Parts: sequence; structure tokens; C-alpha cells
Amino acid sequence: AQSVTQLDSQVPVFEEAPVELRCNYSSSVSVYLFWYVQYPNQGLQLLLKYLSGSTLVKGINGFEAEFNKSQTSFHLRKPSVHISDTAEYFCAAYDNTDKLIFGTGTRLQVFP
Amino acid sequence: NAGVTQTPKFRVLKTGQSMTLLCAQDMNHEYMYWYRQDPGMGLRLIHYSVGEGTTAKGEVPDGYNVSRLKKQNFLLGLESAAPSQTSVYFCASREPGHYGYTFGSGTRLTVV
Repeated sequence: AQSVTQLDSQVPVFEEAPVELRCNYSSSVSVYLFWYVQYPNQGLQLLLKYLSGSTLVKGINGFEAEFNKSQTSFHLRKPSVHISDTAEYFCAAYDNTDKLIFGTGTRLQVFP
Repeated sequence: NAGVTQTPKFRVLKTGQSMTLLCAQDMNHEYMYWYRQDPGMGLRLIHYSVGEGTTAKGEVPDGYNVSRLKKQNFLLGLESAAPSQTSVYFCASREPGHYGYTFGSGTRLTVV
């Protein structure tokens, strides 16, 4: 089955600490990979994407992600989080019918 | 440039009532999508369209109908609302060959 798996439903972290949000994809989806962020009561915004090329992808707000083909992973990282990073984060990939499929989301809660 | 606009933003329906959600995009995108977002389940595709006059079923189409009479508009209809359709609905659009979706800000629907 085609799937995108986000291993953590919630990640609590203190401000200025590093964070990693994990995402694994099934080998049957494409390697066009995305991270979206959803702030409370808002729509989804694109954080970053991997289509090809360098496996380390930098996005907005200081986030980056690394594409790892051998581990079928696309984990999102930030070296120092802020209160304003509190949001839900979705990993997504294109399936073999050219449509985006989403993981179940990870709620990042940043505490002062 | 408004991007993707969804109306209404909030709605409460009684079981059995009908309604239509409107999605309008001003980017001349060919592809449009309707997703629903439920806690712990991420975003699931309801219906989509790859051009004016075309529609197709997604992962969870039952209980919904759609129409794309004009390229810029994609309507999602509920003929007889059920409590299981309580959700947040997102519309998105993109151009073929461009892999980033543009999302609307969502419609929060409650069916009582």
C-alpha cells in the first residue's frame, strides 16, 4: 500500500531546543516529498519540498529536511525552535496517480 | 492576488440538510482538490478535478458530489448531511508539472 507515516502524533519541546519530526514513506510512493505546516485555525503552508538533487533541503522559518532513500525517510529538523513554531506538521508524497497523500500529522508544542 | 478562497468559513448543519462549499482560485490552475481533515487521520482526498468539466473520486467520496463548471471554481456538495461529515474541509489547486499545492484556509463544518 502507498503510505506516508509520521511516527509521532505529538512532540513537546522547550523553546530553543532542537527538534526532529519523523516521516517515513512506503517504497511505492514517489520520491516527491513535502512538509506542510498548519498553524491553529489556518490552512496548510508549504515548508519545503524534495523533488531531486541535494538530499538536504532547506525551507522557510529555519527548517530543513533530509531525504534518505535507503531508510525511506524524510525527517524534518530545526536546530532551535521558537514558541511561534507551535503548529501541526504534515509530511506528504505523491502517489502513483499523481496526487498528494498525507501523513496523519505531528503536533509540535513548544514550551517556554 | 487572493490565491484559493473558500466560503463559508464556518457552518453548522442539521442532519439531513444539504449545502454547497465553494472553492475559488485566481491562479488559473488546472487541477483542483477537496480534502477533509479529521483528528489523527491527516488529510484525505474526497474528489478532484484535472480540468474544467472533469471530476473524479478520491479516497473518501461517499456522501459528497462535486462540480467544476468553470475553471476557477470547484464546488463540493453534501446532499444529506450526516454527523460523520463533521470535519474541516480544505480546497487546493496546482498546475500540472508543478508539485506544490496552494491551499485555502478551510471550512469548518459541524453536523448536529
